[in-house]
Amino acid sequence: GEDVEQSLFLSVREGDSSVINCTYTDSSSTYLYWYKQEPGAGLQLLTYIFSNMDMKQDQRLTVLLNKKDKHLSLRIADTQTGDSAIYFCAEMKTSYDKVIFGPGTSLSVIP
Amino acid sequence: DVKVTQSSRYLVKRTGEKVFLECVQDMDHENMFWYRQDPGLGLRLIYFSYDVKMKEKGDIPEGYSVSREKKERFSLILESASTNQTSMYLCASRTGLAGVSGELFFGEGSRLTVL
Repeated sequence: GEDVEQSLFLSVREGDSSVINCTYTDSSSTYLYWYKQEPGAGLQLLTYIFSNMDMKQDQRLTVLLNKKDKHLSLRIADTQTGDSAIYFCAEMKTSYDKVIFGPGTSLSVIP
Repeated sequence: DVKVTQSSRYLVKRTGEKVFLECVQDMDHENMFWYRQDPGLGLRLIYFSYDVKMKEKGDIPEGYSVSREKKERFSLILESASTNQTSMYLCASRTGLAGVSGELFFGEGSRLTVL
C-alpha cells in the first residue's frame, strides 16, 4: 500500500509493556521514526532507527525493524501514566527527503 | 533549547476569509514544513521549503500557498478559507545537513476553525 499504517488505539495497565506496531511503505526508506504527541502539544522525536539496523534500545524503549515485512515496532517497558500520548510512526523515503507519517496510535495507560 | 513558534494557537475564521499562519524557528534550519493533522489520518504534508524562496508541493497543496522570504519564517496562506480546512496545522523544521537523522522539530500547532 501507499500509506504508513498503525492501529489507532491501544490500552495497557500501568507497569505492563506496550507494543505499538507499524507497517511502512518503502523498503528503501533510510530512517524510520517514532514521534510522541502529548495532549495540546506538537510532536517530539522519541527515537529513530537507521535502515541498516534491526534493533535499537534506549532505556525503556526498544525498536524492532523487519525490513523484509516492512514492519516497525516500538516496545515501552514498565509503561507509566505519563506515557499516555499519541505515537506516530514515520519514514523518510530517500536520503533527506520528506517524512511520511502514519495515523498515530493513541496509547491509554490505566492506573 | 530549540524552538519552533507558531504565532496563533487558536483561530476562528469565516468561509472565504484569507488566513495567514506564521511559523518562526530559531535554529537556523534550512528546511521547513507545513502539515495538517486530522484524527485517523495522521499528519499530511501540505508544502515544504528546502531554503529561502524555495517551495515544494506536498501531498495536499490544493487550497494553500506558502511564503519563505526569510530563512527563519515560513508562512502558510489560505487564500479563501473553506470549512474542510478546519484542522490542526503543524509547522516543523530541520537542518539541511545531509548524513544526520533528519529529525523534525515541531511547533505546538495552530487549531483553525472555519465557520
